Amino acid sequence: AQSVAQPEDQVNVAEGNPLTVKCTYSVSGNPYLFWYVQYPNRGLQFLLKYITGDNLVKGSYGFEAEFNKSQTSFHLKKPSALVSDSALYFCAVRREGDDKIIFGKGTRLHILP
Amino acid sequence: EAGVAQSPRYKIIEKRQSVAFWCNPISGHATLYWYQQILGQGPKLLIQFQNNGVVDDSQLPKDRFSAERLKGVDSTLKIQPAKLEDSAVYLCASSLGRIDYGYTFGSGTRLTVV
Repeated sequence: AQSVAQPEDQVNVAEGNPLTVKCTYSVSGNPYLFWYVQYPNRGLQFLLKYITGDNLVKGSYGFEAEFNKSQTSFHLKKPSALVSDSALYFCAVRREGDDKIIFGKGTRLHILP
Repeated sequence: EAGVAQSPRYKIIEKRQSVAFWCNPISGHATLYWYQQILGQGPKLLIQFQNNGVVDDSQLPKDRFSAERLKGVDSTLKIQPAKLEDSAVYLCASSLGRIDYGYTFGSGTRLTVV
């Protein structure tokens, strides 16, 4: 069965510093990986995805993520954090041949002014 | 393009009452999903429709939850009777169904059962 682990419940970063939100996955076959962001009282918004090709994918709002097959990881990164990046971030995986997306439990990102 | 529409935004009911949520997906999106997001947890898939047929309802508590997608467009999710542990945000999402495609989510319905 496929699964996603986000080991940190909360990440605190000072504004202007680089940020990383960790994600590891377990899936048989080729994974399709996603990051979503959720602001208070809002639905989930798509940030970026890895399907195939370059291991470093770029997404919305300056975010990027690096796919590492040997470590089964897909960490979300941003070079310089903004206070407005404070939100709940979900990593998700979709198995090749299966159109269901399985979500991690989420990581709350708190950017300190 | 218009997003996924959900209503109501908020609902408060007493336990053992019934409640229904409505979702209108993005036009042309064949696949529709209902997720339950309990506070502090990631979204959990309840049911997946492909057009008006159910693809996966293995996580749906069928003794109290039901869902339908008439004519392959709008969908309703019903809970009857509600329990305290049903308090959650119910998210609807739709997708073109392509394997490399993500979902578009609605804003959700926040249900509080008291």
